[in-house]
Amino acid sequence: EAGVTQSPTHLIKTRGQQATLRCSPISGHTSVYWYQQALGLGLQFLLWYDEGEERNRGNFPPRFSGRQFPNYSSELNVNALELEDSALYLCASSPTGGSYGYTFGSGTRLTVV
Amino acid sequence: DQQVKQNSPSLSVQEGRISILNCDYTNSMFDYFLWYKKYPAEGPTFLISISSIKDKNEDGRFTVFLNKSAKHLSLHIVPSQPGDSAVYFCAASVPSGTYKYIFGTGTRLKVLA
Repeated sequence: EAGVTQSPTHLIKTRGQQATLRCSPISGHTSVYWYQQALGLGLQFLLWYDEGEERNRGNFPPRFSGRQFPNYSSELNVNALELEDSALYLCASSPTGGSYGYTFGSGTRLTVV
Repeated sequence: DQQVKQNSPSLSVQEGRISILNCDYTNSMFDYFLWYKKYPAEGPTFLISISSIKDKNEDGRFTVFLNKSAKHLSLHIVPSQPGDSAVYFCAASVPSGTYKYIFGTGTRLKVLA
């Protein structure tokens, strides 16, 4: 069974640009979660999508947005990139609800220069 | 406000000895706790979990203890092996239907051969 896949593995962008990160969940999983792991910090919750709808978002500015497609894959968009957006972005998936934990992908390392 | 805290950023243990990783939380409404392990360049992988109705859960070499009155949980690894060297995150969830896990900042465990 394929795990959660994220692309690209690494992404380098210039301040002010937009970044798009992609995630494919495990087959059968309908919930997708996005987390940010900045240097020295734990995993900070960004967004939760389920059945194509945004269900919850963390304490991040509106320039962090995303969507979930009919096939349950998801996209995270970060607009007007700032240097402090440099981080590892992790996607996770679960069956609807995720009440017993998620399965994470390997992440996208975003570097803003 | 960090609701889940892992106050030890790193821990070194001799192979074969016990590793004890600690986690404190502030929200008494947390009802489910998990431990994840993360190797470099990989996503976190689920290790073990515990519900707030229990005070201990065991899975092979891994045991998680929960002390609700102290708002403290710990992960014991016995015996520790060099392959256990990784960053360990504890996470907690609130029974609000958000299925949003709040993660600690992680403890880097190094098991010395």
